[in-house]
Amino acid sequence: EDKVVQSPLSLVVHEGDTVTLNCSYEVTNFRSLLWYKQEKKAPTFLFMLTSSGIEKKSGRLSSILDKKELSSILNITATQTGDSAIYLCAVEPINSGGSNYKLTFGKGTLLTVNP
Amino acid sequence: DSGVTQTPKHLITATGQRVTLRCSPRSGDLSVYWYQQSLDQGLQFLIQYYNGEERAKGNILERFSAQQFPDLHSELNLSSLELGDSALYFCASSGLAGVGVAQYFGPGTRLLVL
Repeated sequence: EDKVVQSPLSLVVHEGDTVTLNCSYEVTNFRSLLWYKQEKKAPTFLFMLTSSGIEKKSGRLSSILDKKELSSILNITATQTGDSAIYLCAVEPINSGGSNYKLTFGKGTLLTVNP
Repeated sequence: DSGVTQTPKHLITATGQRVTLRCSPRSGDLSVYWYQQSLDQGLQFLIQYYNGEERAKGNILERFSAQQFPDLHSELNLSSLELGDSALYFCASSGLAGVGVAQYFGPGTRLLVL
């Protein structure tokens, strides 16, 4: 069974700090790893990392996939209060049909950014 | 706004009842996924439909069922509801198969079973 473990479970920082969130996974036939940000309601898509795209960056957020270590990190620099959210990591295996398949999510990291 | 819509936003019902949650995927997306999120279990995959056909099943109870209609909207039916079914139910959609296609989540339906 696929498994995703995120650490830390919770993190409190001050505005301007840099944070690193961790995700480790076990999955049969890895296809992709995804990061989502969940504020009050729906998870919103941040990044997808695959064998052909192991590093992604968008503004202050960046993510790296380490296929050898079966892990990924999400970095947020110069944090702002608006970054406060639960950050979810998920993995997607390749299914036999080759089409999009279910995601297995970690429990998430709750990030709180204080002013 | 992801483009995925879900109705209703909130639902309060009693144990033993049956409810239907509805989802409209993003325009052009053929795949619909249902997830359940509770405080203790996190986000759990329930079921996937692709162009009207069931494609994958996860931790979905026998009391729950889903379908995807020709217009690609999907419904999740929950019956004989129990207190433990109280949770956020999300629908997500994605486009055609292929690496680099992410799932986009709707706003969710919050179900409270009393």
